[in-house]
Amino acid sequence: QKEVEQDPGPLSVPEGAIVSLNCTYSNSAFQYFMWYRQYSRKGPELLMYTYSSGNKEDGRFTAQVDKSSKYISLFIRDSQPSDSATYLCAGGIQGAQKLVFGQGTRLTINP
Amino acid sequence: AAGVIQSPRHLIKEKRETATLKCYPIPRHDTVYWYQQGPGQDPQFLISFYEKMQSDKGSIPDRFSAQQFSDYHSELNMSSLELGDSALYFCASSLMNSPLHFGNGTRLTVT
Repeated sequence: QKEVEQDPGPLSVPEGAIVSLNCTYSNSAFQYFMWYRQYSRKGPELLMYTYSSGNKEDGRFTAQVDKSSKYISLFIRDSQPSDSATYLCAGGIQGAQKLVFGQGTRLTINP
Repeated sequence: AAGVIQSPRHLIKEKRETATLKCYPIPRHDTVYWYQQGPGQDPQFLISFYEKMQSDKGSIPDRFSAQQFSDYHSELNMSSLELGDSALYFCASSLMNSPLHFGNGTRLTVT
């Protein structure tokens, strides 16, 4: 079993829709969580960084972490065609240096 | 803002050859990471360096080695290349316990 599980999709939604992307994780030691966006042939680009449980909002993006259920989410409001990409969730341990990634969800926003 | 620079962007090698990938981290970042991403796969952690010393090791084959130099750039050396080594290789850098910032990767094709 992978430490971070993520539905690979693909997920296709119309422009303007609210998108919900989710991951579960098994390592209770994870303390910080990240969402990366990856366009084709590009490196992962940091979107959101969350430490411990709670919500974090940045523009159209909201990240949620529920450590009790080991569940992390990313919400995209007013989705745009430019949001079409693969979204990777990742968890990490304070003091350790490597991130453990989910498989990534391929998202397409249709105009 | 300066980003992580990787070279070359593309590399084609034959089986049993050797390849060297280079990474130039964001200035003042003290930690460098190497990840391997196969087609449709999530990035897999290979190795990391903190202040030029190896700090963590993941699923890096014995045929691979890496080091970080006095100017903080890092090189990943890959010998006896196999077809299965074909992948995207990402370098990332960070300050300790801060989010990772990725380069755009080197696409290695082994024929």
